[in-house]
Amino acid sequence: DAGVTQSPTHLIKTRGQQVTLRCSPISGHKSVSWYQQVLGQGPQFIFQYYEKEERGRGNFPDRFSARQFPNYSSELNVNALLLGDSALYLCASSLEQGLYEQYFGPGTRLTVT
Amino acid sequence: AQSVTQPDIHITVSEGASLELRCNYSYGATPYLFWYVQSPGQGLQLLLKYFSGDTLVQGIKGFEAEFKRSQSSFNLRKPSVHWSDAAEYFCAVGGGYQKVTFGTGTKLQVIP
Repeated sequence: DAGVTQSPTHLIKTRGQQVTLRCSPISGHKSVSWYQQVLGQGPQFIFQYYEKEERGRGNFPDRFSARQFPNYSSELNVNALLLGDSALYLCASSLEQGLYEQYFGPGTRLTVT
Repeated sequence: AQSVTQPDIHITVSEGASLELRCNYSYGATPYLFWYVQSPGQGLQLLLKYFSGDTLVQGIKGFEAEFKRSQSSFNLRKPSVHWSDAAEYFCAVGGGYQKVTFGTGTKLQVIP
């Protein structure tokens, strides 16, 4: 079975631009979570979506938004990019709403110049 | 607020030697605890998890961890390290219906 997939793999954007990152969960998984991992740090929770509804939100500004589609795939949007948004963005899927076991994708490396 | 401390940023061990990576957590209730491994440029892979029951948890790749409530610790161990274990290791707390909080990670270097 395919694991969690994310696209694109790498992305370079300029300050002030907007970016959309995509995630496809493992087949049958209904929950998707997004994490930001800045170089040298652990992942930080951004959002969790379950059954197309936001179920959790981390301490991130409103420039960050996400949505989940009927097929359970998800998009993370970041507006008005700042240099500090440069990071590895990880998507994780889990079977149900409870985060008992998450499976992570390889991530999207975003560089903001 | 929940938090995780991994006091060792970088650890070097010889191949075949034993390994212990430290993790201390702060959580308001009975914690769900996790250890993940991340190879360079890759996502995270779950090594093991603790929810309840036996405080000694066995995971994949020969790893184990012990939950000690009195010390708020969940240290990861492996009796004999292989060169392929070189990676970054993250301890995490939370889960269930709470967000997961990760530590800052411990980078493991394995020398011949």
